[in-house]
Amino acid sequence: GQNIDQPTEMTATEGAIVQINCTYQTSGFNGLFWYQQHAGEAPTFLSYNVLDGLEEKGRFSSFLSRSKGYSYLLLKELQMKDSASYLCAVRDLSQGGKLIFGQGTELSVKP
Amino acid sequence: DVKVTQSSRYLVKRTGEKVFLECVQDMDHENMFWYRQDPGLGLRLIYFSYDVKMKEKGDIPEGYSVSREKKERFSLILESASTNQTSMYLCASGQFTDTQYFGPGTRLTVL
Repeated sequence: GQNIDQPTEMTATEGAIVQINCTYQTSGFNGLFWYQQHAGEAPTFLSYNVLDGLEEKGRFSSFLSRSKGYSYLLLKELQMKDSASYLCAVRDLSQGGKLIFGQGTELSVKP
Repeated sequence: DVKVTQSSRYLVKRTGEKVFLECVQDMDHENMFWYRQDPGLGLRLIYFSYDVKMKEKGDIPEGYSVSREKKERFSLILESASTNQTSMYLCASGQFTDTQYFGPGTRLTVL
């Protein structure tokens, strides 16, 4: 089967750094995605990792370790607008290439 | 920019009504998806389609059907709406090796 775990909620301070973790168990792993979703809006794509290592994109970075079934999303220089839900999703080839989503981590950025 | 549009942002229907949710994408994507999103349950896949006139059941297809007569359009049908189908419905499209791009969502309330 498949299982994706991420913390339900996190709080951080404006200007700080926060790391959101995601662990997964799938039988046909073929890539991990991070999405950002503001309240009442659709998810928007942030990053994609298929090989081990760190992918950096501005203030956001994403890391993957396939052997550990582990990823994290790192947000630097936090801004109030970063308050949102962050969704981890894994592409599973054993499920026809579908994306399997975690339940999301609700991040609150405080002044 | 990829554009995925959904026919309505908000919809209120009565129990037993037939409901049509329409989704259109303009990027010639092969794959299209319908999800529902509920608090505490995350994104759950209802149906997806990888080609015109093709459809595959997702994780929660009961009470729903879909139609894909043209590549750019994917419709979700609630044959007889029930109150437990009150939810946020999200359409997405994407190529197999790419991320999924989401529409703005339709918040459906069934009274």
